[in-house]
Amino acid sequence: RKEVEQDPGPFNVPEGATVAFNCTYSNSASQSFFWYRQDCRKEPKLLMSVYSSGNEDGRFTAQLNRASQYISLLIRDSKLSDSATYLCVVNESGGGADGLTFGKGTHLIIQP
Amino acid sequence: DAGVIQSPRHEVTEMGQEVTLRCKPISGHNSLFWYRQTMMRGLELLIYFNNNVPIDDSGMPEDRFSAKMPNASFSTLKIQPSEPRDSAVYFCASSLISEQYFGPGTRLTVT
Repeated sequence: RKEVEQDPGPFNVPEGATVAFNCTYSNSASQSFFWYRQDCRKEPKLLMSVYSSGNEDGRFTAQLNRASQYISLLIRDSKLSDSATYLCVVNESGGGADGLTFGKGTHLIIQP
Repeated sequence: DAGVIQSPRHEVTEMGQEVTLRCKPISGHNSLFWYRQTMMRGLELLIYFNNNVPIDDSGMPEDRFSAKMPNASFSTLKIQPSEPRDSAVYFCASSLISEQYFGPGTRLTVT
C-alpha cells in the first residue's frame, strides 16, 4: 500500500523564523519527489522538486534521505505569505506523472 | 497562458441527481488526472488518462462515478446518482512529463 505521511500541524511560527517539516514514504522504490503548496480554498501548486543531492530555491531548501525514506522542506526567514498547506508528493513510477501519491499536507501558519 | 480550466466552480445539487464536472487540460499536455479532496481523506486520485485513454481507474469509488476523455482538450467526470458523501472539491490536473498542473477545482455539495 502506498503511504506518504506528514505531520498535519498546524505549525505556528513567528515571522522571520526558520521552520522545517518532514515527510516519510513507504515505498523504497520511489523515484522522484516534490513539494506542492496549497492555499486555503485554492488548488495545489508545485513549489519545488526534490533532488537526490538536495536543492535550494531562495528561502526554500528541500532534502531527500533515501536511506531513511523521508524528504524535508526548510523555510528560512519565513514570511506571512508562506502560510499555507504544504503537500509532500512521491512518484513511484519511472518519472512519469502517473504514480504520484500525495500526503495529506502540513498546515503552516506564520504569525506577525 | 491558460491553465487547466474546470467548470462549474461550484455545484450544489440534491441527492439522487446527476452531476457532470468538466475539465479542459493545458494544450499539449498528454496526461489528465481527476482528484477528489476532503478534509478527512486528503487528495485522492480517482482516475487518470494518458493520450485520452483511461490508464488507472482504481481510485473511482464505485459504479456511480464515470469519466470520459473524448479528445485531448476535454474530459468529464460524472456522478449518477449523487450522494451526500460525494461532497468534496474535485480537481482536474494535467501534465506533460512529471509536474502536474491543477485546475481551480469544483466544489460539490450534495444535500
